[in-house]
Amino acid sequence: GQNIDQPTEMTATEGAIVQINCTYQTSGFNGLFWYQQHAGEAPTFLSYNVLDGLEEKGRFSSFLSRSKGYSYLLLKELQMKDSASYLCAAMDSNYQLIWGAGTKLIIKP
Amino acid sequence: IAGITQAPTSQILAAGRRMTLRCTQDMRHNAMYWYRQDLGLGLRLIHYSNTAGTTGKGEVPDGYSVSRANTDDFPLTLASAVPSQTSVYFCASSDSRQGPDTQYFGPGTRLTVL
Repeated sequence: GQNIDQPTEMTATEGAIVQINCTYQTSGFNGLFWYQQHAGEAPTFLSYNVLDGLEEKGRFSSFLSRSKGYSYLLLKELQMKDSASYLCAAMDSNYQLIWGAGTKLIIKP
Repeated sequence: IAGITQAPTSQILAAGRRMTLRCTQDMRHNAMYWYRQDLGLGLRLIHYSNTAGTTGKGEVPDGYSVSRANTDDFPLTLASAVPSQTSVYFCASSDSRQGPDTQYFGPGTRLTVL
């Protein structure tokens, strides 16, 4: 079956670095997406990886290893506004997104 | 540019009633999607449409129907609502004509069925 696993909740300190891991199993693979979702709001796109390696975009970076079925989202210089849920989603061979349940990130001052 | 709009923002509905959730996008995206989001679960695809005039079933289609008469609109209908359909519903769209592409989400409709 198809499955996405990511931690339910993480806590980090303002100014620090946090890594949110995601493992996936899909029928075929057409890329890995990360979205951010603030409470009560819609998910918004953060990153897309289809090749192995690290993609850096400002304070956020995303890594993919296709052979391991593994991705992570790295957030640097954490700010209070980064408190949100982070959703991992893998695109299968039918170009449908399979979503994880999300990781709630709590930032403490 | 509005992006994707959904209506209503929230609704309380009696079980057994019919309800249509509206979704409109102005980005000329070919593909549109309806998801539901429940606490502790990932977004689950209800129905999708790859282009105007075509629709497909997602992971949890039972009790829901959709239509795609034109590029911009993708309404979701609950023919006879049940309490298990209480959820937050998100509409999304993407331009998938060139391959995998980012999905953009509307603000959501919070539906409570009593």
